[in-house]
Amino acid sequence: DIPLTQSPSFLSASVGDRVTITCRASQGIGNSLAWYQQKPGKAPKALIYGSSTLESGVPSRFSASGSGTEFTLTISSLQPEDFGTYYCQQLNDYPLTFGGGTKVEIK
Amino acid sequence: EVQVLESGGGLVQPGDSLRLTCATSGFTFTNHAFAWVRQVAGKGLEWVASISNSGITTPYADSVRGRFTIARDDSKNTLHLQMSSLTLDDTAVYFCARCGPTCQHNRFDVWGQGTLVTVSS
Repeated sequence: DIPLTQSPSFLSASVGDRVTITCRASQGIGNSLAWYQQKPGKAPKALIYGSSTLESGVPSRFSASGSGTEFTLTISSLQPEDFGTYYCQQLNDYPLTFGGGTKVEIK
Repeated sequence: EVQVLESGGGLVQPGDSLRLTCATSGFTFTNHAFAWVRQVAGKGLEWVASISNSGITTPYADSVRGRFTIARDDSKNTLHLQMSSLTLDDTAVYFCARCGPTCQHNRFDVWGQGTLVTVSS
């Protein structure tokens, strides 16, 4: 198995802040990493694939980078609608695994 | 419009069986692999199983292997998850998600709204 460790598990930030979430894999996974946003009571929504490619329709304030074992998701200017929980997922090998999630709160 | 819609959840007793269905529309079903992902209330996401576009490859999470079976019906553009010997730990919302030709190396780009499975005596 390839556990993913996300940090922080919770963050509270103000509108306009730059926010960064980190995801660390226990072993190298190349660029087979995706990021999802989930709002309460809703299904996850894909944001990023291939570690850094933005899904169609996702605002450009979202960006991501990394390869191997270290990955980051950045929101350049936090907006009110960005609240929710963010998950990373490794797609390199089965069992596919998710990080524990980062809950983002808007101050 | 691309859609995936789960159904079949409900309240069952430990040891019971249940079959979940994921109905899809708006895209070429046979071009895609699919996955089931579950989420315990207030907790994170757990991948359960996947099935390739050919139906040949069907990996499972250790927690469900031997009890759950994933299958696809290409004639009806639907996906199923047959669950047996259910335990309290299987209580969760179950999501159906679409991948590329396989789920390995391809993100889950379309998700259903989920169906709740509650296992309780």
